[in-house]
Amino acid sequence: QKEVEQDPGPLSVPEGAIVSLNCTYSNSAFQYFMWYRQYSRKGPELLMYTYSSGNKEDGRFTAQVDKSSKYISLFIRDSQPSDSATYLCAMSAGGGSQGNLIFGKGTKLSVKP
Amino acid sequence: KAGVTQTPRYLIKTRGQQVTLSCSPISGHRSVSWYQQTPGQGLQFLFEYFSETQRNKGNFPGRFSGRQFSNSRSEMNVSTLELGDSALYLCASSTLPGLVGHEQYFGPGTRLTVT
Repeated sequence: QKEVEQDPGPLSVPEGAIVSLNCTYSNSAFQYFMWYRQYSRKGPELLMYTYSSGNKEDGRFTAQVDKSSKYISLFIRDSQPSDSATYLCAMSAGGGSQGNLIFGKGTKLSVKP
Repeated sequence: KAGVTQTPRYLIKTRGQQVTLSCSPISGHRSVSWYQQTPGQGLQFLFEYFSETQRNKGNFPGRFSGRQFSNSRSEMNVSTLELGDSALYLCASSTLPGLVGHEQYFGPGTRLTVT
């Protein structure tokens, strides 16, 4: 079983839809959770960061962490064509090195006008 | 403030050759990490440098090496290229190492194709 699992999609939704992206993980020591957005021909950019469990909201984006189920989610409300990108989850137990950051393979999202 | 820059952006090499990729971090950032991104394996950590010292290395063969200079710029080298080395190579910088990703900024990557 891989440490981090993420459905690669692709996921296609109409403009204005609510999008739900998810990752599951197996390492119960993970306590730092991130979502990155990667546009075509660009590097990933940090979208949301959550420490431990709970919800975090930033504009149209909400990140949820359920450590009991080892499950994290990213919700996008009122999705826009500009949200079309690949979304990567990433998580870490800490430990003082970027090498401890484990990424999902990414979900490709397409928002149709 | 300028972002992370990587050169070249695209590269085509032949099996058996070697390649050097360059990364200039954001001004003031002293930590640089390198990643390999492929459709099959996703984003995988290669190495992390801080103050010209390698702090951590991922699970890659010795053909992959890197270094960091006193101005924080970094290079990575891949020798004896294999077809499986075709990937997007990403560089990321942060002020300090090990900030768990949330203060790490990625460059646009170098797309390496090995034929």
